[in-house]
Amino acid sequence: DAKTTQPPSMDCAEGRAANLPCNHSTISGNEYVYWYRQIHSQGPQYIIHGLKNNETNEMASLIITEDRKSSTLILPHATLRDTAVYYCIVSSGNTPLVFGKGTRLSVIA
Amino acid sequence: EAQVTQNPRYLITVTGKKLTVTCSQNMNHEYMSWYRQDPGLGLRQIYYSMNVEVTDKGDVPEGYKVSRKEKRNFPLILESPSPNQTSLYFCASSFNERKETQYFGPGTRLLVL
Repeated sequence: DAKTTQPPSMDCAEGRAANLPCNHSTISGNEYVYWYRQIHSQGPQYIIHGLKNNETNEMASLIITEDRKSSTLILPHATLRDTAVYYCIVSSGNTPLVFGKGTRLSVIA
Repeated sequence: EAQVTQNPRYLITVTGKKLTVTCSQNMNHEYMSWYRQDPGLGLRQIYYSMNVEVTDKGDVPEGYKVSRKEKRNFPLILESPSPNQTSLYFCASSFNERKETQYFGPGTRLLVL
């Protein structure tokens, strides 16, 4: 699986959009980009995933660059409950998800 | 309610005393896995199973065993626990290739003295 690079931490004001970047420059054609988050020692939670098109669901939006070498997770209106570690993972087929260290997002009132 | 359950949630034990952490899912998922999480190291996969009687090593399998005799259960066995296995453990399950369906359990916090 391709590796990902994420900033170790970010802050975001409550009510503002949180934009979390991820670099995955060695991603291959059949690999998806997955985002999970983990709220304070709870089990990780799936957020969103995509292949090459931008995706949106009730939790977030995922913007993938045209060359697929990077992506951005957008939480449109961050709340205090969005404070968590966010993991960007690239994976394909039956290969297991490999969690890196993620980005610790702190939403500040 | 779709869920992954783990037991026990908290465990304190001593070096060398065999223990089993159970994991059960009610979603008929084929794929199950175990992770450990340590400060500064993120989540690391211990073992995974693609289906009944099919298991394989993850990134950090040393000192652990697993079995998959039934689809819903995937116990993690520590035959002779050591202090370096003190960690937070998560079980997860999903439909095989559909990682977006992956559910994680609530975690088991293990302390080995």
